[in-house]
Amino acid sequence: GAVVSQHPSWVICKSGTSVKIECRSLDFQATTMFWYRQFPKQSLMLMATSNEGSKATYEQGVEKDKFLINHASLTLSTLTVTSAHPEDSSFYICSASVTGAKNIQYFGAGTRLSVL
Amino acid sequence: RKEVEQDPGPFNVPEGATVAFNCTYSNSASQSFFWYRQDCRKEPKLLMSVYSSGNEDGRFTAQLNRASQYISLLIRDSKLSDSATYLCVVNPRDSSYKLIFGSGTRLLVRP
Repeated sequence: GAVVSQHPSWVICKSGTSVKIECRSLDFQATTMFWYRQFPKQSLMLMATSNEGSKATYEQGVEKDKFLINHASLTLSTLTVTSAHPEDSSFYICSASVTGAKNIQYFGAGTRLSVL
Repeated sequence: RKEVEQDPGPFNVPEGATVAFNCTYSNSASQSFFWYRQDCRKEPKLLMSVYSSGNEDGRFTAQLNRASQYISLLIRDSKLSDSATYLCVVNPRDSSYKLIFGSGTRLLVRP
């Protein structure tokens, strides 16, 4: 099956620093990748849709200047949380859809971000 | 009203029991439906897609009622390993790729 690798799995950082999270599709090309955030005991909330070679589409209420997304190749998308604050602490999960089968999304293992 | 609503549970059942989860969605134009499973502190994993005719995969049966905008998941002969949170997921027609997740129903299967 399609494998999505997400790195790092866990990061602790100081308030004000930036954190980059990588999402890679290992055995398939992903024109579209998605970034979600999940707070404890809540559901996944889509933050943005990342399209290879073009600008990401952000959901309402998500600051594009704070959550920078780059999708420079068909196998890699990155999410950078800039000037992280404690309220940004969350579980960030990426997913990728197989080109031609966009309704099926395969998820990375997630990144747990703790901002001190 | 949430776009996808689920009973949060938890459902606490003994091994071998049959358990059913329900889900409702608000967008009548939604076109694709899924059940995902999420273990604690892990990523969601696709359990099964849901088709209008209903579909079965081993001990799992999914049903879709478009008229009532209702989706169900039935688990027969529950195993301890079925303990997880089950997420109802909908793909709205107005966006080809976006998935809307329900908040999940937690299942605990006890020995």
